Amino acid sequence: DIQMTQSPSSVSASVGDRVTITCRASQGISSWLAWYQQKPGRAPKLLIYAASRLQSGVPSRFSGSGSGTDFTLTISSLQPEDFATYYCQQATSFPLTFGGGTKVEIK
Amino acid sequence: QLQVQESGPGLVKPAETLSLTCTVSGGSISSSSYYWGWIRQPPGRGLEWIGSINYKGSTYYNPSLESRLTISVDTSQNQFSLKLNSMTATDTAVYYCARPRSGYLEFDSWGQGILVTVSS
Repeated sequence: DIQMTQSPSSVSASVGDRVTITCRASQGISSWLAWYQQKPGRAPKLLIYAASRLQSGVPSRFSGSGSGTDFTLTISSLQPEDFATYYCQQATSFPLTFGGGTKVEIK
Repeated sequence: QLQVQESGPGLVKPAETLSLTCTVSGGSISSSSYYWGWIRQPPGRGLEWIGSINYKGSTYYNPSLESRLTISVDTSQNQFSLKLNSMTATDTAVYYCARPRSGYLEFDSWGQGILVTVSS
């Protein structure tokens, strides 16, 4: 199985800050990496697929990069509605696996 | 717009079998060879993929659950289902069904989730 490791597990930031979250795969997954946003009591929402492709309707302040084993999700200017937990998921093969999550909290 | 929705009991006794159904609306479960998925999330914890199935009944399971898990599809009802036996407290979680982005393995449409508690 491919293990996905996210860091940090939490980050405190202010509105307007640039936030970067990293995700590392235990083996190469090319660009088969997705990012999700989850707010309390809600289902996850797909933000980015194929490492860097923005899902329809997702604001352009979100961006993704990376390939192989190392990936990043960047929020260029944090907005109040972005405080949430973010998960990565490898989408290259079964069994599918998620990272442990990164909680973005208000500083 | 395609939607998925989970249904089933919110409370299961230890050692019993959980049965959940995901109903697909706004489109046909047979329209493409998506691998429809089940994902769960214990309270305060992260996401865990449970398993996936396509309309032909081809399945993939999480190895950690495979011995207790059955996922099936009913194309006539536009539904797919999950059965997880020998439930314990560690299976307490919100269970989601989801549809993957066309032809791929990330999920772009999720149900609202159903909290399943294992308790006597």
